[in-house]
Amino acid sequence: KAGVTQTPRYLIKTRGQQVTLSCSPISGHRSVSWYQQTPGQGLQFLFEYFSETQRNKGNFPGRFSGRQFSNSRSEMNVSTLELGDSALYLCASSPGARSATNEKLFFGSGTQLSVL
Amino acid sequence: SQQGEEDPQALSIQEGENATMNCSYKTSINNLQWYRQNSGRGLVHLILIRSNEREKHSGRLRVTLDTSKKSSSLLITASRAADTASYFCATDARDSNYQLIWGAGTKLIIKP
Repeated sequence: KAGVTQTPRYLIKTRGQQVTLSCSPISGHRSVSWYQQTPGQGLQFLFEYFSETQRNKGNFPGRFSGRQFSNSRSEMNVSTLELGDSALYLCASSPGARSATNEKLFFGSGTQLSVL
Repeated sequence: SQQGEEDPQALSIQEGENATMNCSYKTSINNLQWYRQNSGRGLVHLILIRSNEREKHSGRLRVTLDTSKKSSSLLITASRAADTASYFCATDARDSNYQLIWGAGTKLIIKP
């Protein structure tokens, strides 16, 4: 079984631009969660999607948005990029919704976003 | 918000020695998970311990959970160079709407 795939692996953008990151979960997994990882703040939860519905959202501004398609693939979008958005963005999938608890997460390798 | 706090922030030991990392958290939990992250890569799940469990083993890994002290420890025995990575604990708190809350991580370096 293929693992969680995130594209692109690296991305360089300038302030004010927008960016879309993609995540393909493990086949059969219906939940996709997104995290932002920075050296200063650690891993911060962005949002979780399950069956095309946003189930949970972290404490991020509205510039951060996401969606999930019927095949469980997910995208996240960041508009009007700021320098502070530079981070490793990680996607994780699990078979069921996080609300089922006790679900471990399977992570992709991440997209390293640099905002100049 | 960070619920888990790992201790120490960094640990450097010789290959073959045991490594112990600690995680403390603040609120009641359903379970606690440990993950490993190699530099700049995604996280890999290591072990999950439920709130009603006290100890769990997986290969060279031993995890303990003390809910009265709100703390957990991860022990890696007979360390290898390949164990060099950052280790994170994540808690599935009962009042966090099942979001995983992550600690800041312990950076482990195994010297050959």
